[in-house]
Amino acid sequence: DVKVTQSSRYLVKRTGEKVFLECVQDMDHENMFWYRQDPGLGLRLIYFSYDVKMKEKGDIPEGYSVSREKKERFSLILESASTNQTSMYLCASRPSIGGRGREQFFGPGTRLTVL
Amino acid sequence: GEDVEQSLFLSVREGDSSVINCTYTDSSSTYLYWYKQEPGAGLQLLTYIFSNMDMKQDQRLTVLLNKKDKHLSLRIADTQTGDSAIYFCAESRNTGKLIFGQGTTLQVKP
Repeated sequence: DVKVTQSSRYLVKRTGEKVFLECVQDMDHENMFWYRQDPGLGLRLIYFSYDVKMKEKGDIPEGYSVSREKKERFSLILESASTNQTSMYLCASRPSIGGRGREQFFGPGTRLTVL
Repeated sequence: GEDVEQSLFLSVREGDSSVINCTYTDSSSTYLYWYKQEPGAGLQLLTYIFSNMDMKQDQRLTVLLNKKDKHLSLRIADTQTGDSAIYFCAESRNTGKLIFGQGTTLQVKP
């Protein structure tokens, strides 16, 4: 079974703190994604990575950065957390070719609260 | 998810059929997906349909695709309480990105 794990299920941080959200996948997938999920807005893509050391901006990259130093790990960084970044963050991965209809595999999510 | 639209809520009785609808905008989308999110969990792929198909059936699930109207639907036959979840429609873009709808919360009453 594909497994995508996220470092924390729940996280509470203060405004201005630097926040790291970690995601690890164990299936040697090339592509990895970070989304945020907000009620009534669905999932919105923050950043994605096609391979190690590669990154592309998604639809809402402002206030975020990412790091992909190793194939299995994709980190989302909030340089200076703000209250409007309170959200559920979901990581996903998929192989670059093959798979069921280019399926993305999701982690359980990290619910981040910024006070 | 402004390019993919879904209604936000659907309530049905156990044993009835559920139909969740979705409209999308990109006619070049290769695949269209239905993902399910149970409370406190990430998303799981429920089913998908290739853009050159009109219908796909998988046990209790039927997906219908109307490319002319850019309309996708998911029908769940004999809905059970375990089907209560949020259902997301998504379309794939040529860039490899997925564009998700807002999600439809399905409530199944006993």
